[in-house]
Amino acid sequence: GESVGLHLPTLSVQEGDNSIINCAYSNSASDYFIWYKQESGKGPQFIIDIRSNMDKRQGQRVTVLLNKTVKHLSLQIAATQPGDSAVYFCAENKSTGFQKLVFGTGTRLLVSP
Amino acid sequence: KAGVTQTPRYLIKTRGQQVTLSCSPISGHRSVSWYQQTPGQGLQFLFEYFSETQRNKGNFPGRFSGRQFSNSRSEMNVSTLELGDSALYLCASSLEGLRGEAFFGQGTRLTVV
Repeated sequence: GESVGLHLPTLSVQEGDNSIINCAYSNSASDYFIWYKQESGKGPQFIIDIRSNMDKRQGQRVTVLLNKTVKHLSLQIAATQPGDSAVYFCAENKSTGFQKLVFGTGTRLLVSP
Repeated sequence: KAGVTQTPRYLIKTRGQQVTLSCSPISGHRSVSWYQQTPGQGLQFLFEYFSETQRNKGNFPGRFSGRQFSNSRSEMNVSTLELGDSALYLCASSLEGLRGEAFFGQGTRLTVV
């Protein structure tokens, strides 16, 4: 079925390191992608999005890269901080017919001081 | 500016009953979308309402329904509850819909016994 998968369920990094969270998506028709952060006991928080006509987008300390050839999405977090510890989800949006968001399973990022 | 408010925060229901969950979006947001989050299935999109109309829909059975009022507040109803409906139900509001930044509430934790 439809799926957006993540390569690593848990990523452990040291404070100050750069983190890279990966995501593979299955539908080449997807044309919009979002990264969310979810802290324990809270709802997801929008981090950054990217449309399929772009291959890179930067935000504050975050960069999303999109490789449509291999259907791969990544989130890079620069100078990772303990406050970045959370579960990160990617999601894809398909605009054919009804739109719906398809989410990945999530990667837990653990940042050690 | 108040965030997205979901009520109740916790709910326990018996199999076969029905339940109604409420979501108050951020003022000015006309799009409200609903999601189910479980450890097994992750985050799954239920449906999206915009200006009182269901605009997009995920792959859930007809037991899951919703509506949106003229003030953009939304309710989600689940009829004939099953044990597998136990989950965290999240709603999100946005200006644009499923594309663009969405703001999530803290969710309603539903337990079906």
